[in-house]
Amino acid sequence: DAGITQSPRHKVTETGTPVTLRCHQTENHRYMYWYRQDPGHGLRLIHYSYGVKDTDKGEVSDGYSVSRSKTEDFLLTLESATSSQTSVYFCAIRASQGGKQYFGPGTRLTVT
Amino acid sequence: ELKVEQNPLFLSMQEGKNYTIYCNYSTTSDRLYWYRQDPGKSLESLFVLLSNGAVKQEGRLMASLDTKARLSTLHITAAVHDLSATYFCAVEWDDKIIFGKGTRLHILP
Repeated sequence: DAGITQSPRHKVTETGTPVTLRCHQTENHRYMYWYRQDPGHGLRLIHYSYGVKDTDKGEVSDGYSVSRSKTEDFLLTLESATSSQTSVYFCAIRASQGGKQYFGPGTRLTVT
Repeated sequence: ELKVEQNPLFLSMQEGKNYTIYCNYSTTSDRLYWYRQDPGKSLESLFVLLSNGAVKQEGRLMASLDTKARLSTLHITAAVHDLSATYFCAVEWDDKIIFGKGTRLHILP
């Protein structure tokens, strides 16, 4: 299995609070991705990174920011959580264009 | 903007039957991926298709890509219960990988 972990695995937070999710890899892969999964929507891309300090928006980036200061870590921040951001969040990594994506175990976030 | 559409979204089928899941996409791309997800679990990569006419097979699953038609298919041969899962296709475009909504496959014994 690819070395990819997500923390925390579960979190309950209140509306309006900031939340940071962490994705950590031990594979030295160039690309990292954040997705959210909701019933009826499949996986939707939030942000992705193509190198240290190189990030770009995905399909549903409003309300989210990311940072990648080291190859191994990709952080997703909800500046002020809303109930619509209740979801399961998956991180994925891959080595190169055309390469296989490996997914982390997911983080279940509930915003009350 | 890239759109990826899968159909059907839900499929219930008998063991031993054959069926095909379709994945259409809206923008030129020659990189397409298929994944499997079991309930409550993460996603597992099944196939990587990187050129027009690419065909990959593993066990009872076979995936193909027609970039001219912007269409990929995942064919299931002689389905067995263990193949019950949700299957996603995803298309690469400009470093982004965009997913379809998934096909929930339920195989009845």
